[in-house]
Amino acid sequence: KQEVTQIPAALSVPEGENLVLNCSFTDSAIYNLQWFRQDPGKGLTSLLLIQSSQREQTSGRLNASLDKSSGRSTLYIAASQPGDSATYLCAAATSGTYKYIFGTGTRLKVLA
Amino acid sequence: GAGVSQTPSNKVTEKGKYVELRCDPISGHTALYWYRQSLGQGPEFLIYFQGTGAADDSGLPNDRFFAVRPEGSVSTLKIQRTERGDSAVYLCASSRGLAGAETQYFGPGTRLLVL
Repeated sequence: KQEVTQIPAALSVPEGENLVLNCSFTDSAIYNLQWFRQDPGKGLTSLLLIQSSQREQTSGRLNASLDKSSGRSTLYIAASQPGDSATYLCAAATSGTYKYIFGTGTRLKVLA
Repeated sequence: GAGVSQTPSNKVTEKGKYVELRCDPISGHTALYWYRQSLGQGPEFLIYFQGTGAADDSGLPNDRFFAVRPEGSVSTLKIQRTERGDSAVYLCASSRGLAGAETQYFGPGTRLLVL
C-alpha cells in the first residue's frame, strides 16, 4: 500500500531564502508524482507534474526532482517570497491504480 | 475557460440527514475524482470516474457514500444518514485524459459540517 510522507510538517523562512521541501513514498512503482499548492480555505493548485520516466521539472522559481529508486521527490523554491506562503502537498499515482495518494503537506511561511 | 466548480461551497446538516454535493468538471475532461480532506491532512481518495463509469471506488468509506456521473460530465456525491465523522472538505478534480498521466485540476471544495 502506497504511503506518502512529507518533511518538514511546517517551515518558516525569511524572504529571499532558497528552500527544499521533501516528499517520500514507499512504493516506487509510480506512474507520476505531482506537487500542489493549497492556500487556506482553498482548493489545490497544480505546480509541477513529473512523469515516472522524468527526473525533474521546472517552472519559474520552482524545480521538482524525482528519484524513484530511493522513493523521494524534492520541491526546490528559489528566492522565496511572502506570496509563496501556503501548504505544499505532494501526491503519487501508483502504477495500475491511477489514483493519487497525498502526503499531509508542508505548511510554509515566508516572512517579509 | 472555467475551472472545476463545486456546489454548495458550504453545507451544514444534522446527523442522519441526506446530502448531495455537486461537481462540474472542466469541459472535455473525461476523468473525474472525488477526495475528502480533514483538517491538517492531505486529501484522501474516494472515487474516480473515467467517462460515466466508476473506474475505482475503493476509497468510499462505506455504503452510505455513493457517486454518479450519468452523462460523463457533472458528478454528484451522495451521502446518506450523515454522521459527525463525515464532516470534512470534499474536493473534486478533473483531468483531460488518462487518469494519472495528466495534471489534475481541483475545485474549491465543499465544506460539509454535520451537527
